[in-house]
Amino acid sequence: DQQVKQNSPSLSVQEGRISILNCDYTNSMFDYFLWYKKYPAEGPTFLISISSIKDKNEDGRFTVFLNKSAKHLSLHIVPSQPGDSAVYFCAASALSRDDKIIFGKGTRLHILP
Amino acid sequence: GAGVSQTPSNKVTEKGKYVELRCDPISGHTALYWYRQSLGQGPEFLIYFQGTGAADDSGLPNDRFFAVRPEGSVSTLKIQRTERGDSAVYLCASSPSRDTQYFGPGTRLTVL
Repeated sequence: DQQVKQNSPSLSVQEGRISILNCDYTNSMFDYFLWYKKYPAEGPTFLISISSIKDKNEDGRFTVFLNKSAKHLSLHIVPSQPGDSAVYFCAASALSRDDKIIFGKGTRLHILP
Repeated sequence: GAGVSQTPSNKVTEKGKYVELRCDPISGHTALYWYRQSLGQGPEFLIYFQGTGAADDSGLPNDRFFAVRPEGSVSTLKIQRTERGDSAVYLCASSPSRDTQYFGPGTRLTVL
């Protein structure tokens, strides 16, 4: 049973436009959410996170939005750049309970020239 | 500074053999995690160490899998009697705190 769901296996976005990657979760115990970026043959790299007490966190071109009532979060990248082409994993943790991070299956983002 | 390193980067073995995968965490990180990533999936939690002890091993799929971290630094994931279904990328991560984890490049295990 997938507790973290990324329903779009892939997404193509024009360079310079906004990329929006979506993620849904089912476990209401999750209180910390993360996005990781992964290039081929490399491990996932931490991108941005958000605590459940917030609804938005911004870091440069990356913004994560959290909608707790809908159990939904999204990652916005603006403007999208060629180097953003990668697989993006949404992940969640229940820090109040343990330190496990549960990952989604990932969304492959293609930035088109 | 040096990140998390994992050796070997690739391991090919035959069904039924024993393998060991090594992880060198970032110096000073007390927490260490093992994940397994199969094709088309996200990383799947296996086991978590805080210092030398396994704080949570609930993700280990069965008793063929075992991991140690005897001195609270380097960790070894051990798989006995390997099966073809064990083929995956095994990722190690370390963390200085209870949130962000820093991943190594992974070991790609192929069981023939």
